[in-house]
Amino acid sequence: GENVEQHPSTLSVQEGDSAVIKCTYSDSASNYFPWYKQELGKRPQLIIDIRSNVGEKKDQRIAVTLNKTAKHFSLHITETQPEDSAVYFCAASKGSASKIIFGSGTRLSIRP
Amino acid sequence: DVKVTQSSRYLVKRTGEKVFLECVQDMDHENMFWYRQDPGLGLRLIYFSYDVKMKEKGDIPEGYSVSREKKERFSLILESASTNQTSMYLCAWQRQDRTDTQYFGPGTRLTVL
Repeated sequence: GENVEQHPSTLSVQEGDSAVIKCTYSDSASNYFPWYKQELGKRPQLIIDIRSNVGEKKDQRIAVTLNKTAKHFSLHITETQPEDSAVYFCAASKGSASKIIFGSGTRLSIRP
Repeated sequence: DVKVTQSSRYLVKRTGEKVFLECVQDMDHENMFWYRQDPGLGLRLIYFSYDVKMKEKGDIPEGYSVSREKKERFSLILESASTNQTSMYLCAWQRQDRTDTQYFGPGTRLTVL
């Protein structure tokens, strides 16, 4: 069945450095890739998404890249700040009304 | 903004009890989902619904059922709660134009003793 693998499971970076989280997906028909951020005790919230017709998307300090050939996509956070500490989930979907398959999550910690 | 509410933030039940978790959204959205979240396992889909009285099994439907009598309300039912159903339960909705983005409710942390 469809599967999304996410690495690493935990990540600790110095404040101001960059953080990269990587995901791979199994279903080549997947064409929508959202990323969610979940702060402690709160619900997952969408922070950025990308569709298969583009290779990169950026929103301020956050960027996502997609390599359809290799079936992997990544989240890049630059100039990390304490408020970036959270669990991040990647996900993949085949399109409208399809199930979204989530990765297992990455706990990002920002060291002061 | 769409408001999604779940019946309780915290719930404690005993083994064997029947448990109802309610999710209500205040817009006319068709697509609703129930997930459970456990450490190290991410978000796993239990059931989903694309319309009133319609339901589809997700990846882990065993031990659960759902009800969708009205478009705004999607209920998750644990027929006979067990300790391995202790978890965080998250309701989600998807915009009617089905652009794929899902948005989550605040969650219910259920403990089964």
